[in-house]
Amino acid sequence: EAQVTQNPRYLITVTGKKLTVTCSQNMNHEYMSWYRQDPGLGLRQIYYSMNVEVTDKGDVPEGYKVSRKEKRNFPLILESPSPNQTSLYFCASSRDPGSTEKLFFGSGTQLSVL
Amino acid sequence: RKEVEQDPGPFNVPEGATVAFNCTYSNSASQSFFWYRQDCRKEPKLLMSVYSSGNEDGRFTAQLNRASQYISLLIRDSKLSDSATYLCVVNGGTNDMRFGAGTRLTVKP
Repeated sequence: EAQVTQNPRYLITVTGKKLTVTCSQNMNHEYMSWYRQDPGLGLRQIYYSMNVEVTDKGDVPEGYKVSRKEKRNFPLILESPSPNQTSLYFCASSRDPGSTEKLFFGSGTQLSVL
Repeated sequence: RKEVEQDPGPFNVPEGATVAFNCTYSNSASQSFFWYRQDCRKEPKLLMSVYSSGNEDGRFTAQLNRASQYISLLIRDSKLSDSATYLCVVNGGTNDMRFGAGTRLTVKP
């Protein structure tokens, strides 16, 4: 089954404790992206990747890191989480970032930073 | 001004009703348009793309008005299962997908 697998589904942590949210897709998609979703706001892009070893900042990259060492995986790293990073996070992928391609989303990670 | 704006609702309608949502966008160079459906705290899923000539998929009809820079979604004969948040998504080109904050719909018996 074609899917984007994101883990964990829920995560509660404390300020400053490094964490990683994993994302993996089995569709051989070149494009992957991370979003955060906050009440009253649309999904906002954190980082994206056009292909292996090619990553770039989205609209809200501060406090986050990513890597793309393999085509299927695109982890999101919070080196020193802060309470303002409490949010619902989605990983997404598509065949390419062109204008007509739809996005496939992971099931989301609800992160709470205390 | 937000790049993609939607009325947040909530829209509360009875089963069988017809309901319409609008979405406006600011980038006149936007190339493609979509409606996604999102159930509470779950991942967005593509409902339908929106084509220039308008398109229909069962009870759902999407329209695009480039001159006025808005898209619409019409749901006929609403079902309880249509209760969700509907996200308007506008793509301005390579890696320029912009999401509205969503319109919440509740269909009641």
